[in-house]
Amino acid sequence: AAGVIQSPRHLIKEKRETATLKCYPIPRHDTVYWYQQGPGQDPQFLISFYEKMQSDKGSIPDRFSAQQFSDYHSELNMSSLELGDSALYFCASTDSLTADTQYFGPGTRLTVL
Amino acid sequence: AQTVTQSQPEMSVQEAETVTLSCTYDTSENNYYLFWYKQPPSRQMILVIRQEAYKQQNATENRFSVNFQKAAKSFSLKISDSQLGDTAMYFCAFVIAGGTSYGKLTFGQGTILTVHP
Repeated sequence: AAGVIQSPRHLIKEKRETATLKCYPIPRHDTVYWYQQGPGQDPQFLISFYEKMQSDKGSIPDRFSAQQFSDYHSELNMSSLELGDSALYFCASTDSLTADTQYFGPGTRLTVL
Repeated sequence: AQTVTQSQPEMSVQEAETVTLSCTYDTSENNYYLFWYKQPPSRQMILVIRQEAYKQQNATENRFSVNFQKAAKSFSLKISDSQLGDTAMYFCAFVIAGGTSYGKLTFGQGTILTVHP
């Protein structure tokens, strides 16, 4: 079965640079969630989209923005990167008809130097 | 706000034995779902099992089963016949039912499970 795809899998950036993370949900899933997992921590919700509209927002810095496109893929844009942004970023998707079980992508490991 | 608590930072078990991981949660909602996710060293988040709050019957998936006590707000995971591949971080997670506006997962702090040969 098709899974959630995230790209890139690994990303290394310098402080103050920008990064774009991409997420391709499972086919026919219309809802996307972004989570950030720091070292040794549990995942923290950042933002979610349903039918290309932002549906909920968590502890996402103002330096970050995200959107969902017409094909339901989503991009997380991160600017003015800080050392503390180094983390594993997960995308998860679900079908709004069930909207209960989220399936996670493999994550993008971002390292800020 | 919802909270999820896993009071066991680390657990260990011998191969082929049974282990139980604990999870408690706090919510004022009546309709919700509970999950256990497994995160092996690869850091992939893998769904292990889910439980609908409106169902009294405990969920079971092969060697994995839960003990869901709604009144006590407790949701433990039992792993039977533990295998080396079960070694991972296990997260308990909660989501309010009722649509995408409520769909964010709240995770516990995680329990590191090590299965010894």
